[in-house]
Amino acid sequence: DVKVTQSSRYLVKRTGEKVFLECVQDMDHENMFWYRQDPGLGLRLIYFSYDVKMKEKGDIPEGYSVSREKKERFSLILESASTNQTSMYLCASSPGVFPYEQYFGPGTRLTVT
Amino acid sequence: AQKITQTQPGMFVQEKEAVTLDCTYDTSDPSYGLFWYKQPSSGEMIFLIYQGSYDQQNATEGRYSLNFQKARKSANLVISASQLGDSAMYFCAMRGNTGANSKLTFGKGITLSVRP
Repeated sequence: DVKVTQSSRYLVKRTGEKVFLECVQDMDHENMFWYRQDPGLGLRLIYFSYDVKMKEKGDIPEGYSVSREKKERFSLILESASTNQTSMYLCASSPGVFPYEQYFGPGTRLTVT
Repeated sequence: AQKITQTQPGMFVQEKEAVTLDCTYDTSDPSYGLFWYKQPSSGEMIFLIYQGSYDQQNATEGRYSLNFQKARKSANLVISASQLGDSAMYFCAMRGNTGANSKLTFGKGITLSVRP
């Protein structure tokens, strides 16, 4: 079975802190993704990566950056956390072959106070 | 641009009955894929079923089937013989034909509650 793990299920940080969210997948998938999920808005793509050291902006990249130094690990960074970044963050990975279905981690519920 | 529309705010179904969750989509890509995911209260998104735009038959996976009507741009999920564990949020998603750029566009989701 595909396994995608995220470093924390719950996280509380203060405004202005630098926050790292880690995601690791064990299936040698090429593609990895970071989403945030907010009530009534569904899932919105923040960043994705289709190869090591490659990254592409999603729909809402502002206030975030990412890092992918190894194939299995994709990190989301909040350079200076703000209260409007309080959300559920979901990481996903998918193989580089058809039909590219995505497998998700358990999510990190981040609260910025 | 791709768009997924899920307009049902919440659905209720009696245990052991079938239920249909609606999804309509819009895309200019001639080739695309449609997905359904389940998100229980624990938060994890679980992949349920996939339908390719050129697939001749509707996809089925156990109790899940996808009622794909290409001309109407709809991809409704049918859950047969509902179980209490089916209570969750359900998301419809689509992907265009962009190879390595395999982004998914998600709908806003539908909450399903199964009554005993």
